[in-house]
Amino acid sequence: GEKVEQHESTLSVREGDSAVINCTYTDTASSYFPWYKQEAGKGLHFVIDIRSNVDRKQSQRLIVLLDKKAKRFSLHITATQPEDSAIYFCAASKDNNNRIFFGDGTQLVVKP
Amino acid sequence: EAAVTQSPRSKVAVTGGKVTLSCHQTNNHDYMYWYRQDTGHGLRLIHYSYVADSTEKGDIPDGYKASRPSQENFSLILELASLSQTAVYFCASSWTGGSGNTLYFGEGSRLIVV
Repeated sequence: GEKVEQHESTLSVREGDSAVINCTYTDTASSYFPWYKQEAGKGLHFVIDIRSNVDRKQSQRLIVLLDKKAKRFSLHITATQPEDSAIYFCAASKDNNNRIFFGDGTQLVVKP
Repeated sequence: EAAVTQSPRSKVAVTGGKVTLSCHQTNNHDYMYWYRQDTGHGLRLIHYSYVADSTEKGDIPDGYKASRPSQENFSLILELASLSQTAVYFCASSWTGGSGNTLYFGEGSRLIVV
């Protein structure tokens, strides 16, 4: 089955800098790549996604890039703020398939 | 905003005992899921359901049963709890099961088996 790997287990940045979290996947049939955020003691909530028919998507300070050839996708958070501190999970799934495979998460710490 | 509530939020169980984790959603979603999260790891799918009175196995179903008595409620049952089942369990719901459907998560149930 699909395996999603997150390269950074922890990431520390200064407030105002950009943060980049990288993920790779193994199944070339994967076509949908969501990102979820988990704040301390809470459940996950959706932040942004990208489908395989595009290679870039932006929502305010969040940018997702997808490189299908390399089977790699990344989340860029620009102008980071303390409230961006959380664990971020990347995930992958195939069309018409309810299986979503999650990475192990990246703990992002934004220092003032 | 979607609402998924889990109970209990925290539980200590003895090895060999029975544990039931409950999940209730008010989103009118068809799909419900149970995931397990181990420290430092991502989520793994245990069971899911797309209609009341029917459940499906996920990726790690061994040692777990699920029950979906109504569209709103989905339970995870550990008949004989084991130490290895110590984890945080998340319930989630979604409109449909197809790719691209956002999962709405509960806040988690921390289970410690001693």
